[in-house]
Amino acid sequence: QKEVEQDPGPLSVPEGAIVSLNCTYSNSAFQYFMWYRQYSRKGPELLMYTYSSGNKEDGRFTAQVDKSSKYISLFIRDSQPSDSATYLCAMSQGAQKLVFGQGTRLTINP
Amino acid sequence: DSGVTQTPKHLITATGQRVTLRCSPRSGDLSVYWYQQSLDQGLQFLIQYYNGEERAKGNILERFSAQQFPDLHSELNLSSLELGDSALYFCASSVSPPNEQFFGPGTRLTVL
Repeated sequence: QKEVEQDPGPLSVPEGAIVSLNCTYSNSAFQYFMWYRQYSRKGPELLMYTYSSGNKEDGRFTAQVDKSSKYISLFIRDSQPSDSATYLCAMSQGAQKLVFGQGTRLTINP
Repeated sequence: DSGVTQTPKHLITATGQRVTLRCSPRSGDLSVYWYQQSLDQGLQFLIQYYNGEERAKGNILERFSAQQFPDLHSELNLSSLELGDSALYFCASSVSPPNEQFFGPGTRLTVL
């Protein structure tokens, strides 16, 4: 079993929809949770960085962490075609390495 | 633009050869991380350096080695290359762990 599980999709939604992306994990020691966006053949771009449980909002993006369920989510409101990319969740224990999910390929249709 | 630079962008070489990938971290960042991304394995952590010292090792093969220099740039050396080493290699940097990691544009390695 992988430490971090993420549905690879693909996920296709119409423009303007609310998108929900999720990851589950098995290591209860993870404390730092991140979401990255990766366009084809480009480097991952950090979208959200959260510590421990709770919600964090940045513009159209909201990240949620539920440590009791070992479950994290990223919501994208008013989705745009430019949001079409692969979204990677990542997490770490303190200063340890980042462990990534497989990524979810998202397409926003105009 | 994350501020992390990597050279070269593309590298095509033959099996058995040796290559060097270079990374310059963001200004002020002391920690450098190397990752490998292949289609079937996703993003895999290879190795981490902090201010010139190795801090953590991941799934890095013995044929691979890295170092971080006094000016904080880092190099990843891949030797005795095999077809399976073809992948995207990313460098990331942070001020210090566990701060946010910012990724470079990557080096695409093709081994023929």
